[in-house]
Amino acid sequence: QVQLQESGPGLLKPSETLSLTCTVSGGSISSDYWSWIRQPPGKGLEWIGYIYYSGNTNYNPSLKSRVTISVDTSKDQFSLRLSSVTAADTAVYYCARVLGGTLPPYYYYMDVWGKGTTVTVSS
Amino acid sequence: DIQMTQSPSSLSASVGDRVTITCRPSQSIGSYLNWYQHKPGKAPKVLIYAASSLQSGVPSRFSGSGSGTEFTLTISSLQPEDFAIYYCQQSYSTPWTFGQGTKVEIK
Repeated sequence: QVQLQESGPGLLKPSETLSLTCTVSGGSISSDYWSWIRQPPGKGLEWIGYIYYSGNTNYNPSLKSRVTISVDTSKDQFSLRLSSVTAADTAVYYCARVLGGTLPPYYYYMDVWGKGTTVTVSS
Repeated sequence: DIQMTQSPSSLSASVGDRVTITCRPSQSIGSYLNWYQHKPGKAPKVLIYAASSLQSGVPSRFSGSGSGTEFTLTISSLQPEDFAIYYCQQSYSTPWTFGQGTKVEIK
């Protein structure tokens, strides 16, 4: 059974770069799409973007200028980098696997999620 | 971006009650609609995908219906473990967007 685990620093200062890694266990990253989602305190869920195992990406335009998602198939990991963070980037960050079927229509949904990691941006 | 509006924002219900949550996207999204359950401190869990398909392992008391611009999640008989926040999410077009959530509380 596929499991995901986020890891990375929990505290950042404004203007620093957030770097998180999601490790996939119980399966291979070399299939499907993989996504990052976040939840600011007291707010709802926000989709950050996804990456296909081959490296193709799709980002939320609201973050596109600052976000990079990458994949390392040799380690079964994918990563999130968010530059120039501010207090507004304080959130619980989740990684998730995206399924959508092998034939169109591709009804994408996130079926396995990590437990989330809290990132706080404060001076 | 497609805006997702859920109603109600919160509700109080008793064990055994039938609960219905509605999600209305700002434009038609066909059946590209998913429902998630989220409990504090835990990972969100998909309940329904493609508007009405029950995710494997999810109890049959959960069901989804609708298409286009109106969707519903129904819990036929609320159980103690169902008290949580429920989110709808569209995957019709990027950026994928979520509803603001519906908090289901114990009456």
